[in-house]
Amino acid sequence: DAGVTQSPTHLIKTRGQQVTLRCSPKSGHDTVSWYQQALGQGPQFIFQYYEEEERQRGNFPDRFSGHQFPNYSSELNVNALLLGDSALYLCASSHTGTRNTIYFGEGSWLTVV
Amino acid sequence: AQSVTQPDIHITVSEGASLELRCNYSYGATPYLFWYVQSPGQGLQLLLKYFSGDTLVQGIKGFEAEFKRSQSSFNLRKPSVHWSDAAEYFCAVGTHLGGTSYGKLTFGQGTILTVHP
Repeated sequence: DAGVTQSPTHLIKTRGQQVTLRCSPKSGHDTVSWYQQALGQGPQFIFQYYEEEERQRGNFPDRFSGHQFPNYSSELNVNALLLGDSALYLCASSHTGTRNTIYFGEGSWLTVV
Repeated sequence: AQSVTQPDIHITVSEGASLELRCNYSYGATPYLFWYVQSPGQGLQLLLKYFSGDTLVQGIKGFEAEFKRSQSSFNLRKPSVHWSDAAEYFCAVGTHLGGTSYGKLTFGQGTILTVHP
């Protein structure tokens, strides 16, 4: 049983560009959340998707957007990249309504130059 | 708004010694609390979680944590540390969404654990 898988694992982008990160949740999970973890910091919640809709959102600008597909996989899009967007982006999945454990992927390392 | 404070940025212990990592939270209702561990360059692994009931929670790898409502604390403990426990540890509180669902996790800044042989 595969856990949460994310792609790509590493990428480098230039300021002003756009990036798309992808996440496949653990089998049986219907809820996907995204977190940003800057170097030396704890993860910060970006948003959560359930039933293809954004259910909860953290304090991130509109440049950060997402999508959840019918198969529960998800994408995180960041437009107009800034140097400060350089971070580890973590995807987490869970099954809603059952207090199930939230499982995290290995993350996507984004460097903006 | 909810928040989590981990007062110790870096802790060093000798292998075989006991360990306690501190966590204080702020949340308006009964919290859902978690401890995660992160090795360098890796994702987060859940050590243990508290939703309700017994305030002493057992986790994986010999870790336990105690929920103390009066102190708003959820400290992580291990009686004897192994070199492989060296990692960064994060405490988190989860937002209730209704029923048994919970939403975002709010994490502390983390505590880096170094283990001396």
